[in-house]
Amino acid sequence: SQTIHQWPATLVQPVGSPLSLECTVEGTSNPNLYWYRQAAGRGLQLLFYSVGIGQISSEVPQNLSASRPQDRQFILSSKKLLLSDSGFYLCAWSDPRVTFFGQGTRLTVV
Amino acid sequence: DAKTTQPPSMDCAEGRAANLPCNHSTISGNEYVYWYRQIHSQGPQYIIHGLKNNETNEMASLIITEDRKSSTLILPHATLRDTAVYYCIASKGYGGSQGNLIFGKGTKLSVKP
Repeated sequence: SQTIHQWPATLVQPVGSPLSLECTVEGTSNPNLYWYRQAAGRGLQLLFYSVGIGQISSEVPQNLSASRPQDRQFILSSKKLLLSDSGFYLCAWSDPRVTFFGQGTRLTVV
Repeated sequence: DAKTTQPPSMDCAEGRAANLPCNHSTISGNEYVYWYRQIHSQGPQYIIHGLKNNETNEMASLIITEDRKSSTLILPHATLRDTAVYYCIASKGYGGSQGNLIFGKGTKLSVKP
């Protein structure tokens, strides 16, 4: 069966520091991969999606970037975090019809 | 994707069926109805989806009206662990940006002993 791993679960980072969140998927090949963000009290916002290695599409211009160095690995990065980058970050993958989410990373920028 | 409308909150007694309604009057013919739930501080959990026919799996049943303008998610025997925010989403469902799931505010279901 397919599983998705996302880490760390929580992260506290100072303003201006770099960020790297990693997500891996097991049990499937060539999945579509996504990064979402959920701000407190708000819905999920799609940040990036990828349909293959090295193929990244950005939905919202921002301080973040994404990379897909391997088929089942998706990385969310920032060179310098802003306070507004705080939120709940979710990695997800989809089969032809359903999207499955990881457990999320709670990022607090201080 | 079509907009969906859900009640903000519902209560249900433990052991009873929980029936969560959703309106999606502008749903298009190729949009599926998806249900997810989110327990506090966790990622959304997929529950079930359907296009026209009623669907059932080990977690829940989905009843879609014949005109597809509304649906109901049924948890047959709610437990305390079913307390969560439930999201109804209308989406074409395939990957890439076209598969962008738009989560509204959902229904907060509280299962009470």
